[in-house]
Amino acid sequence: AQSVAQPEDQVNVAEGNPLTVKCTYSVSGNPYLFWYVQYPNRGLQFLLKYITGDNLVKGSYGFEAEFNKSQTSFHLKKPSALVSDSALYFCAVRDLLTDSWGKLQFGAGTQVVVTP
Amino acid sequence: GAVVSQHPSWVICKSGTSVKIECRSLDFQATTMFWYRQFPKQSLMLMATSNEGSKATYEQGVEKDKFLINHASLTLSTLTVTSAHPEDSSFYICSARDGAGAGHEQFFGPGTRLTVL
Repeated sequence: AQSVAQPEDQVNVAEGNPLTVKCTYSVSGNPYLFWYVQYPNRGLQFLLKYITGDNLVKGSYGFEAEFNKSQTSFHLKKPSALVSDSALYFCAVRDLLTDSWGKLQFGAGTQVVVTP
Repeated sequence: GAVVSQHPSWVICKSGTSVKIECRSLDFQATTMFWYRQFPKQSLMLMATSNEGSKATYEQGVEKDKFLINHASLTLSTLTVTSAHPEDSSFYICSARDGAGAGHEQFFGPGTRLTVL
């Protein structure tokens, strides 16, 4: 069965500083990996995904993530954080070996707080 | 593109009544839709997977007679919370996969806040 771990409940960063949100995963087969962001009382917005190919994936709003197979990680990064990046971030994985419908397993979420 | 809507965005109802939530894919055909439940400051809990024209598949522990799901067309899925009680109060979110696309990601609706008095 697949699982996703986001080890940090909250990440605090000053505006303009680099932002990293950690994610590790466990799957039986090859993973499809995703990052989503959620603002209060809203649904999830898709940021980026890793399916295959280049391990460094670039997404929306200046975010990027690096797929590391040996460390089973898919950390989300942004070189310079904005106050508007303050939100709840979810990492998700789909295990191709066990799922044919596209079901995602979500991590617990990481609250990002960017201070001015 | 890839917009998913939900209606209503919020609903307050009395205990014992039933509430229907609609999820629509506005600009693509969704062969598969998913229904999630989210408690405050927590992750999404998958309730069921809905495929057009067939019965929904419920996750373990989710009562299928309590949470009725209908996926009647490629653009519409509905979740009906039957005989709602205060413990059913939650944020319900749907998502959809583009059946024709190869993107693999799910597109999420804005969510429905259900409060049962």
